[in-house]
Amino acid sequence: GENVEQHPSTLSVQEGDSAVIKCTYSDSASNYFPWYKQELGKGPQLIIDIRSNVGEKKDQRIAVTLNKTAKHFSLHITETQPEDSAVYFCAASKGSQGNLIFGKGTKLSVKP
Amino acid sequence: DTAVSQTPKYLVTQMGNDKSIKCEQNLGHDTMYWYKQDSKKFLKIMFSYNNKELIINETVPNRFSPKSPDKAHLNLHINSLELGDSAVYFCASSQDFLAKNIQYFGAGTRLSVL
Repeated sequence: GENVEQHPSTLSVQEGDSAVIKCTYSDSASNYFPWYKQELGKGPQLIIDIRSNVGEKKDQRIAVTLNKTAKHFSLHITETQPEDSAVYFCAASKGSQGNLIFGKGTKLSVKP
Repeated sequence: DTAVSQTPKYLVTQMGNDKSIKCEQNLGHDTMYWYKQDSKKFLKIMFSYNNKELIINETVPNRFSPKSPDKAHLNLHINSLELGDSAVYFCASSQDFLAKNIQYFGAGTRLSVL
């Protein structure tokens, strides 16, 4: 089955710096890669996703890149703000079913 | 209006008890899920229902029994609670079971088994 590895487990940056979180997946049939943000006491919320026919996607300060050959994808947050502090999860799944396999999460702390 | 709502938000109970967690979504989605998040924040799917039919059943003890009276509701009943069941349980829903659809999560139910 699919296995998703996520690094780092914790990340601390200064406000205004960039943050990068990396994930690798094992199943080459996976073709959908969402990123979720979980704030304290809340459920995960989708922030951006990418499909295997696209190499990069950007939404304001957030971008995701996908390297299908290497089977890894990354989340990039630029100009970080204290409200970006949260736990971020990557996930992977195949197109035929909604069974998301999550990484173990990255706790991002943005220091003012 | 909350899209995916779970009740209760907190649940504290003794070992051996039976408890239920309720979930409702008002998004008109066909598919609903239950996830378990352990103390290390690891998020793992437990069950998935599509139009009241079970489509995903990961390796979960038989003490856990989901019930979907209609496609807007997916409840989780847990028998003979054990210490290891302590976790945060999240309900989620998506338009259908295809992976391309966004999953919307509830706020979670923190279960503490004493």
